[in-house]
Amino acid sequence: SQTIHQWPATLVQPVGSPLSLECTVEGTSNPNLYWYRQAAGRGLQLLFYSVGIGQISSEVPQNLSASRPQDRQFILSSKKLLLSDSGFYLCAWTFNTEAFFGQGTRLTVV
Amino acid sequence: DQQVKQNSPSLSVQEGRISILNCDYTNSMFDYFLWYKKYPAEGPTFLISISSIKDKNEDGRFTVFLNKSAKHLSLHIVPSQPGDSAVYFCAASRQGGSEKLVFGKGTKLTVNP
Repeated sequence: SQTIHQWPATLVQPVGSPLSLECTVEGTSNPNLYWYRQAAGRGLQLLFYSVGIGQISSEVPQNLSASRPQDRQFILSSKKLLLSDSGFYLCAWTFNTEAFFGQGTRLTVV
Repeated sequence: DQQVKQNSPSLSVQEGRISILNCDYTNSMFDYFLWYKKYPAEGPTFLISISSIKDKNEDGRFTVFLNKSAKHLSLHIVPSQPGDSAVYFCAASRQGGSEKLVFGKGTKLTVNP
């Protein structure tokens, strides 16, 4: 069965510190992978999506970057976090018409 | 540019009544539409979808209607239950769902006992 793992569930980081959120997928191959963010009081915003290893598309200019070192691994990173990076981050993957989400990471930048 | 719009940020309904959540889109190339339900601090879960070749899809208490000429879709929940209280996201994609999902901002549904 297809599953998606995202960790950590919660994270509190100081301004200026680095970030690494990891997402792995099981039970499928060559999925489309996504990072979304839900800021407080706002909808889901697509940050990055990837259709294959090393292929990353960025949707909005920001302080974050993404990498896909393996087919089923998607990493969201930042070298220096800003206060505005706080939010709820979701990893997702799609295959044909199905889309699956991780449980999310609540990031608080202090 | 908001390609998928959910103009009502919140909706309050009495238990047992119908909940209608609306969604509008601007990109005529979208051909696959999905609704997701999200509880606080959890990832969205898939609820129901509809392809552009249909105008209605029903699954239990949930029905999605698509009006392509108006670029409008709606989710009906009948009867509404308190456990339906959540944020509902409308999403759209091209090419039958193989392209990226574009989400609306969500509508918070509260079903009162």
